[in-house]
Amino acid sequence: NAGVTQTPKFRILKIGQSMTLQCAQDMNHNYMYWYRQDPGMGLKLIYYSVGAGITDKGEVPNGYNVSRSTTEDFPLRLELAAPSQTSVYFCASSSDRERRGELFFGEGSRLTVL
Amino acid sequence: GQNIDQPTEMTATEGAIVQINCTYQTSGFNGLFWYQQHAGEAPTFLSYNVLDGLEEKGRFSSFLSRSKGYSYLLLKELQMKDSASYLCAVRSTMNNNAGNMLTFGGGTRLMVKP
Repeated sequence: NAGVTQTPKFRILKIGQSMTLQCAQDMNHNYMYWYRQDPGMGLKLIYYSVGAGITDKGEVPNGYNVSRSTTEDFPLRLELAAPSQTSVYFCASSSDRERRGELFFGEGSRLTVL
Repeated sequence: GQNIDQPTEMTATEGAIVQINCTYQTSGFNGLFWYQQHAGEAPTFLSYNVLDGLEEKGRFSSFLSRSKGYSYLLLKELQMKDSASYLCAVRSTMNNNAGNMLTFGGGTRLMVKP
């Protein structure tokens, strides 16, 4: 099993550009999340999804959009990139069938906006 | 809302024992997680506590007191490879619509010295 796969791993954007961070999981998890982590900080939730076709805002959703057309994929869209969006982005997934339900993370996507 | 506090940095010596504390305030507590994150890598699951007491797993143990809103992660026989950030995260029933969403503390950066 690949687990949670994110692409790209690194990206540099100019202010005002747009891009999509891809996330896919092969564990048949219903729950998926996007977090961002600024240097030396913890993780902040951007958006989450509890199943295909269902998404909702987390703590810091401004400037981002998501979609969940399949159980496997949960892309994060950045519109009009700003320097404040320079961060490391982690996608995660979790099972709704296990009591512990820990989050499994992808390797991260390091984004710089100049 | 939720508030999670943990020390920013700690230093310990190889072979020693270190305790990383975490205090939290939340409504509807539904589990506390510890994650390990090596520099430049994704967080990986270490431990889970939902009832009071100690959970032991090899060199790592985690303790929870729900009445005090307090947890600690205990690392024994420290090794150089234990140098990493340790993230405390809380799940709340207030976020039941968000699946297994976790709120993270800022992380404790542990440096193990020879």
